[in-house]
Amino acid sequence: AQSVTQLGSHVSVSEGALVLLRCNYSSSVPPYLFWYVQYPNQGLQLLLKYTTGATLVKGINGFEAEFKKSETSFHLTKPSAHMSDAAEYFCAVKTSYDKVIFGPGTSLSVIP
Amino acid sequence: EAGVAQSPRYKIIEKRQSVAFWCNPISGHATLYWYQQILGQGPKLLIQFQNNGVVDDSQLPKDRFSAERLKGVDSTLKIQPAKLEDSAVYLCASSLKDSPLHFGNGTRLTVT
Repeated sequence: AQSVTQLGSHVSVSEGALVLLRCNYSSSVPPYLFWYVQYPNQGLQLLLKYTTGATLVKGINGFEAEFKKSETSFHLTKPSAHMSDAAEYFCAVKTSYDKVIFGPGTSLSVIP
Repeated sequence: EAGVAQSPRYKIIEKRQSVAFWCNPISGHATLYWYQQILGQGPKLLIQFQNNGVVDDSQLPKDRFSAERLKGVDSTLKIQPAKLEDSAVYLCASSLKDSPLHFGNGTRLTVT
């Protein structure tokens, strides 16, 4: 069965510091992978996606993620955190029949 | 393009009452999803439609939850009777095949 794990339910970083949010997945077929961001009282917004091709993908707001098949990982990074990055981040995997499974989420706090 | 529309935004009911949520997906999106997001958790897939057919409803509590998608466009999700543990945000999403999900802003349900 497909699943997604996100290490660290809460991550705090200082403004200007590196952001690293971890995601590991299990899938029996080549996955499509996504990162979504959720601000309070809003729906989920797509940050970036991996389907095929280049394993380093760039998204909106300066975020990027690298697909590592050998590690079954898709970690999200941003070189320099901004206060506006404080939100909930979800990793997701899309597998057969377009079924999409989400991880439990990581809450990012940015300290001024 | 217009996004995914959901209504109502908020709903408060007493336990054992019934409630219905409505979703209008992005035009042309064949796949429609309903997710339940309990506070502090990731979205949990309740049901997935492809046009007006059900692809996956393995996690839908069928004794109290029902959903339909008439004419392969709009969808409604109903809970009858509601329980306290149904308090959550109900998210609707739609997508094209092999593409990311687009989410609505959700309906926040409080069961008292």
